[in-house]
Amino acid sequence: SQQGEEDPQALSIQEGENATMNCSYKTSINNLQWYRQNSGRGLVHLILIRSNEREKHSGRLRVTLDTSKKSSSLLITASRAADTASYFCATDGTSNTGKLIFGQGTTLQVKP
Amino acid sequence: ETGVTQSPTHLIKTRGQQVTLRCSSQSGHNTVSWYQQALGQGPQFIFQYYREEENGRGNFPPRFSGLQFPNYSSELNVNALELDDSALYLCASSPGSRKNEQYFGPGTRLTVT
Repeated sequence: SQQGEEDPQALSIQEGENATMNCSYKTSINNLQWYRQNSGRGLVHLILIRSNEREKHSGRLRVTLDTSKKSSSLLITASRAADTASYFCATDGTSNTGKLIFGQGTTLQVKP
Repeated sequence: ETGVTQSPTHLIKTRGQQVTLRCSSQSGHNTVSWYQQALGQGPQFIFQYYREEENGRGNFPPRFSGLQFPNYSSELNVNALELDDSALYLCASSPGSRKNEQYFGPGTRLTVT
């Protein structure tokens, strides 16, 4: 079963706009990760946020984590056509075993 | 590029056949995890190998099996293929000390007809 549920399932925006994706999860976690996948290819790690962190930035990416609501959000600012991809959140709970459980993903389309 | 490679890229098999997929880990990584990703879904954890031993398994039947070799490359074997096995199969390698730091390969697209 999926640990995370992403919302929305699909998102279409214009270049230059911001894109926000949300992820909810079911169990306690030590950390949560976000991945990007282009056209059914391999996953690219974007960012990891630990359970004691509330916000983390990496370039145009901003991730927030609310452990009380068991939710996380990924914000991509000033989006580009190259950001068109599917985005997944994933966590291995509190096990730190790397047995990741992924959400179903948000498909982002950025129109030029 | 993550340094993780998978072969073949694409594969077409007939129901009932057997298939072997291969993964070469990033240098220095002794842990490999395999995932199945059906179309439109997130990846699902199949199993993990650490130092040539199975180190955990997801909700997959025994006809899904694996191997990890001394050089830490890995195989995923699926017997008695079913139509629902059609998916993208992803492997990810990680250092043993940080198993959730995973580097994914490009995947093998398996189609079962």
